[in-house]
Amino acid sequence: NAGVTQTPKFRILKIGQSMTLQCAQDMNHNYMYWYRQDPGMGLKLIYYSVGAGITDKGEVPNGYNVSRSTTEDFPLRLELAAPSQTSVYFCASSYSPGTSGQGDTQYFGPGTRLTVL
Amino acid sequence: AQSVTQLGSHVSVSEGALVLLRCNYSSSVPPYLFWYVQYPNQGLQLLLKYTSAATLVKGINGFEAEFKKSETSFHLTKPSAHMSDAAEYFCAVSEGYGGSQGNLIFGKGTKLSVKP
Repeated sequence: NAGVTQTPKFRILKIGQSMTLQCAQDMNHNYMYWYRQDPGMGLKLIYYSVGAGITDKGEVPNGYNVSRSTTEDFPLRLELAAPSQTSVYFCASSYSPGTSGQGDTQYFGPGTRLTVL
Repeated sequence: AQSVTQLGSHVSVSEGALVLLRCNYSSSVPPYLFWYVQYPNQGLQLLLKYTSAATLVKGINGFEAEFKKSETSFHLTKPSAHMSDAAEYFCAVSEGYGGSQGNLIFGKGTKLSVKP
């Protein structure tokens, strides 16, 4: 299994540009998450999804959009990039929280480092 | 609302010394608690988790953590530090089952340095 994969690894955007960060998992997890990590701030949840077709906002959703058309994929869209969106973005997936024997362990991808200039 | 506080953004120990990384949480319901490790330029990897079974939890790489409800703490320890333990460590809390209750709230992280 490849686990959770993210593309691209690095990207530089100009202010106002748009892009999609890709995330895929091959573990048949129904829960997927997007986080951003800023130095000294830990990880903040942007959006999450409990299954195909179902998404919901996390703590810091402004400026982002998501969709979940399949179990495997959970892309994150930035429509009008701003310098405040410079960050490292992590995608994660898990089984349904509370699933017997699996618990709530979230499996993380390697991250996308985004710079907005 | 849930929250996690990690005391000390940087901790430095000598190789072979005890590692102690502190985590305190607040939660209105019995919590699920996690420690994740992040090596440079990598994603996060689960070290261990507490999900209301034994209060002393053993994880990978010789780490363990003890859930103390009276102190609302879940400190991470390792008896003898190794150079390969140098990384950033994150404590996280969730309320457990279903929907947004499974979402993790992370602390700000503690960067561990190990001196030879």
